[in-house]
Formats: sequence, structure tokens, C-alpha cells
Amino acid sequence: DTGVSQDPRHKITKRGQNVTFRCDPISEHNRLYWYRQTLGQGPEFLTYFQNEAQLEKSRLLSDRFSAERPKGSFSTLEIQRTEQGDSAMYLCASSPGGARTYEQYFGPGTRLTVT
Amino acid sequence: LAKTTQPISMDSYEGQEVNITCSHNNIATNDYITWYQQFPSQGPRFIIQGYKTKVTNEVASLFIPADRKSSTLSLPRVSLSDTAVYYCLVGTGGSQGNLIFGKGTKLSVKP
Repeated sequence: DTGVSQDPRHKITKRGQNVTFRCDPISEHNRLYWYRQTLGQGPEFLTYFQNEAQLEKSRLLSDRFSAERPKGSFSTLEIQRTEQGDSAMYLCASSPGGARTYEQYFGPGTRLTVT
Repeated sequence: LAKTTQPISMDSYEGQEVNITCSHNNIATNDYITWYQQFPSQGPRFIIQGYKTKVTNEVASLFIPADRKSSTLSLPRVSLSDTAVYYCLVGTGGSQGNLIFGKGTKLSVKP
């Protein structure tokens, strides 16, 4: 399977703990995006990378959130000192960029529950 | 980015054609129109993208009138498995490309 993969699929953590999620994009895609989705809402953009460069961050991405894409391949999203409001589905997507930038391929998501 | 408006929900029956219309009155000259489908507990899936007139692929057709202020996603002969949320997005593919999702249209297909 050459689609976008995310790990873990589910994460339950206690408030105040740190969590890290991983995303493996489609190998030939140079753009990688992180989104967050809560129940009944559409996904909300968090941040995106072109290769290893993080080019944009949403205001939703507080200083407790950090994302990396060290070699322009996989990416990690870390949330420090989790809060109950962080409970959501975290989605990763990749895109070939250029004229096909809006053709994004999403992974299955990581569902985070903060207790 | 242009704001989009689409119905909150729609019902249909198996075998019918479903048309979901999206309004985007403030669409810019360089904006494309893109539709995504999302099943529960899955990430959205790209369906179709267009700029003007009509685009068709193996899944759906997209109709865009000359003024581009609206678009219609057409799903031929829907089945129960087409029950999902459908999102209409408008924006520029050449920019950062971060997608702005609304609440989408929840399509329920009944037997």
C-alpha cells in the first residue's frame, strides 16, 4: 500500500502528558499537511511542509504544538502538556504540489483522547 | 479564500442521481473548485477538481457555470456506500494549498 499512513491510530493520554504522532506521506509527494478535526466539523489546517521546510502554521497551532519533517520524508507532530481540548482526530495529508496542490491524499488519522 | 455555502444534509435512495450544489460568490479568478468525500473515522478523499464548465471522472461529474459563482457535484446512481460527508472547497492550487473545510453536506443514501 503506497498511501499515507499514520501511527498510532488511537492514543489515550492523561492531561499534562506529551504525545507524538507520526505521518508517512506518499513517497513522491513533497508537500505534507497536518489538520485537526473535531466531531461534526470539517478538518482544520494546522501546518504544512514543503520538503523539510515548515512554511506555514495556523493560529490554531499553539506553542505546545510542534511539527517536524527532518529529511523531507516522514513528519511528526508533538503536543506538549496535553489539555482536554486537544482531544480530536489529527489528520495528515500529502500532495504533489504545483497545479495538483489541492489534490491531497489523507491518512486514516490519529484519534487523540485526553482524559 | 472564497467562502462556500452548501446544504447541511441531503437524503437520497439507491440508484438515484444526486446533485449537491455549492455557492461561492466571491470566487477569485485563480481559484479552483475541489470536492472531497469523507466517511466516518476516515480522512477525506479527493473526488474531483475543476475550474470551469464540466469535469468528469470515474466517480463524479462537476458542473461549473460560466460565472463560476456556484458548482454542482453530481453522483450518478448512488449506492449505500456513498453515504458520507461531501465538502466543497475553493482556493488557489499554486499557493500553500492548505484546505479550508466547512461543515460539508451529509448525504444519506437509503435502500
